[in-house]
Amino acid sequence: DVKVTQSSRYLVKRTGEKVFLECVQDMDHENMFWYRQDPGLGLRLIYFSYDVKMKEKGDIPEGYSVSREKKERFSLILESASTNQTSMYLCASGLEKLFFGSGTQLSVL
Amino acid sequence: AQSVAQPEDQVNVAEGNPLTVKCTYSVSGNPYLFWYVQYPNRGLQFLLKYITGDNLVKGSYGFEAEFNKSQTSFHLKKPSALVSDSALYFCAVMGLGNDYKLSFGAGTTVTVRA
Repeated sequence: DVKVTQSSRYLVKRTGEKVFLECVQDMDHENMFWYRQDPGLGLRLIYFSYDVKMKEKGDIPEGYSVSREKKERFSLILESASTNQTSMYLCASGLEKLFFGSGTQLSVL
Repeated sequence: AQSVAQPEDQVNVAEGNPLTVKCTYSVSGNPYLFWYVQYPNRGLQFLLKYITGDNLVKGSYGFEAEFNKSQTSFHLKKPSALVSDSALYFCAVMGLGNDYKLSFGAGTTVTVRA
């Protein structure tokens, strides 16, 4: 069964902390994505990657960065967490059809 | 720029009745269109997609969607809703040549009452 695994289901961090969200896929997909999901706003694309060491900005990249050192792993980094980054973060991989992880609910206090 | 509108925040239907979830899109050129579903406390799951061909697309769990180019719509339908269909539904669009970026709508919460 295909899998996209996000390392944490829930995270609580303090303002100003550096936060790492990890995502691993086992489908050998080249494309990986990070979205955030907020009520009433749907899913918004933060960053995506076509290949190892490649990254592209999505619609809301401010305050975030990403790392793709290996094909199966795509990390989202919040350099200095802020309260407006409290959200559900979803990782996905695939081409036309996306496979999603279960999400990480991040709370920044 | 590409975008999706889901005009209804919530849809409520009785079990056994038809279910329709509306979606309109805006994109340059021909679109790829998708529906995803999110059950409570679970990740998003793919339901169906339209790429080309027949305007009526059939997907998982008895769902189907109709592509209407003139109305730029891609409404999701199910002839007879089940209580287990209660979930959050997202429509999404990808413009050809747009680097496989998928843009999602705000989502529609479907509640099917017994």
